[in-house]
Amino acid sequence: DAEITQSPRHKITETGRQVTLACHQTWNHNNMFWYRQDLGHGLRLIHYSYGVQDTNKGEVSDGYSVSRSNTEDLPLTLESAASSQTSVYFCASSGRGSIGADTQYFGPGTRLTVL
Amino acid sequence: DAKTTQPNSMESNEEEPVHLPCNHSTISGTDYIHWYRQLPSQGPEYVIHGLTSNVNNRMASLAIAEDRKSSTLILHRATLRDAAVYYCILRDFNQGGKLIFGQGTELSVKP
Repeated sequence: DAEITQSPRHKITETGRQVTLACHQTWNHNNMFWYRQDLGHGLRLIHYSYGVQDTNKGEVSDGYSVSRSNTEDLPLTLESAASSQTSVYFCASSGRGSIGADTQYFGPGTRLTVL
Repeated sequence: DAKTTQPNSMESNEEEPVHLPCNHSTISGTDYIHWYRQLPSQGPEYVIHGLTSNVNNRMASLAIAEDRKSSTLILHRATLRDAAVYYCILRDFNQGGKLIFGQGTELSVKP
C-alpha cells in the first residue's frame, strides 16, 4: 500500500546544530508539505513543493529550508536549530496540482526537541 | 485566505449524532470547504469536502448552507474513536495545495 513516512520519529538535538527531517511518500504525489504543530496551536505551514525542483515558503519558513530533487522525498532542514523550533513536525502529500479539491495525506509526525 | 470560525470544544455521547458547526461568512465562490480531523498523537486525516451541495461519505456528512456562509459536519453515530480535533478549512480551487489550519473544535465523546 502507498504510504508517507517520516524519520526520525523522535529527535533531541542541541541549539546551533543542523538537523534534517526526512519525509518519503510512495503515492507518487506531486505536492508535498511541511507543517509544525505547537502545544495549543493548530498546524502551521513551513514550506511546500508542487513538483521536482519547486519549493515555496509557507507562513513560518524562517530558519527552515527544503529541497526537492525527486518526487518521493522532501527533506526539511533546520540550518541552526533554536529552542523555538522545538515542535512536532508533520509532512503531507497530495496528488493533484492546482485544484482545491485534492486530499492531503499526513505522515505520523516527528517530535523534535532542541535543548 | 477566507477565515473560518469554530467552537473551541464540544461534547457528545457515544452512539449519538454530532453536529460540528463552522462559520465562513467571507467565503468566495471559488472556495471548497474541507474538513480534516486529528486524533490524539497522530497526523491529521481527511474527512470530507464540498463546494455547494451536501456531501456524504463513509465517515461523515457535510451540510452546506444555501448561502455557503456556514457548514456543518455531521457524524451520524459518534464512537469513542471519533474523539479528535476537527478542522474546517477553506481552499480556493484555483490555488489548491496548501492547507491553512485554524484552531479547530476539540470533540470529546462520553461512553
